[in-house]
Amino acid sequence: EDQVTQSPEALRLQEGESSSLNCSYTVSGLRGLFWYRQDPGKGPEFLFTLYSAGEEKEKERLKATLTKKESFLHITAPKPEDSATYLCAVTNSGYALNFGKGTSLLVTP
Amino acid sequence: EPEVTQTPSHQVTQMGQEVILRCVPISNHLYFYWYRQILGQKVEFLVSFYNNEISEKSEIFDDQFSVERPDGSNFTLKIRSTKLEDSAMYFCASSEQGRNSPLHFGNGTRLTVT
Repeated sequence: EDQVTQSPEALRLQEGESSSLNCSYTVSGLRGLFWYRQDPGKGPEFLFTLYSAGEEKEKERLKATLTKKESFLHITAPKPEDSATYLCAVTNSGYALNFGKGTSLLVTP
Repeated sequence: EPEVTQTPSHQVTQMGQEVILRCVPISNHLYFYWYRQILGQKVEFLVSFYNNEISEKSEIFDDQFSVERPDGSNFTLKIRSTKLEDSAMYFCASSEQGRNSPLHFGNGTRLTVT
C-alpha cells in the first residue's frame, strides 16, 4: 500500500531560522511528488512537482528536492507569512493524489 | 489569476438528507476532482472525472456519492443520504492535463451533518 509520511508534524521557527521538512514515501512506480501549502480554512495551494530523483525546484525562500525514498522542502530565512501547513502528495499510475498528514509550520517574528 | 470556486462555503444538513456541493473549475481545465478532509486528518481522494465520465474513484466513493457536469462550467458532488461521518471539508480541484499534472484546489465546502 502506498504511504506518505511527513515529519515533523509541527515546527516552530524564528524568523530567519532556516530548516527542512521531510516527506518519506513508499509507492510503486512514482510518477510525481507534489508539495502544497495549505492555510487555515483554505484549499491546498500548489507549490512544486518533482518527477525524478535528483530533481530540484525553487520558488522564493522554498526549495524542494527529491530522492528515491524521500523529498525535502527547505525553507531559507523564513518569514511569518510562510506560516502554514505544508502537504506532500504522491501519484503513481492513476489520477489520485495520496497526501501525507502535513507539517504545520509556525514562523515567529 | 483564474481560480476554482466552490459554493456554498458551509453547508449544514440533517442525517439522511441529500446535499449537492457545487464547483466551477478553471475554464480551460479538462480534468476535475473531489477530495475531502475530515477535521484533523489528511486530504483524501474521492473521484476524478474526465470527458463526462469517472476516470478513477476511491473506496470512499460508494453508491451514496455521484458526480455530474451538468453544463459547460459547473461540476457537482451529490451525497444522497448523508451520514454523520460525512462531515468534512470537501475540496474541488481541476487540472489542465491528467496524470501527474498539478491540481488547483478551491477553498472548499465545509459540510456539517447533524
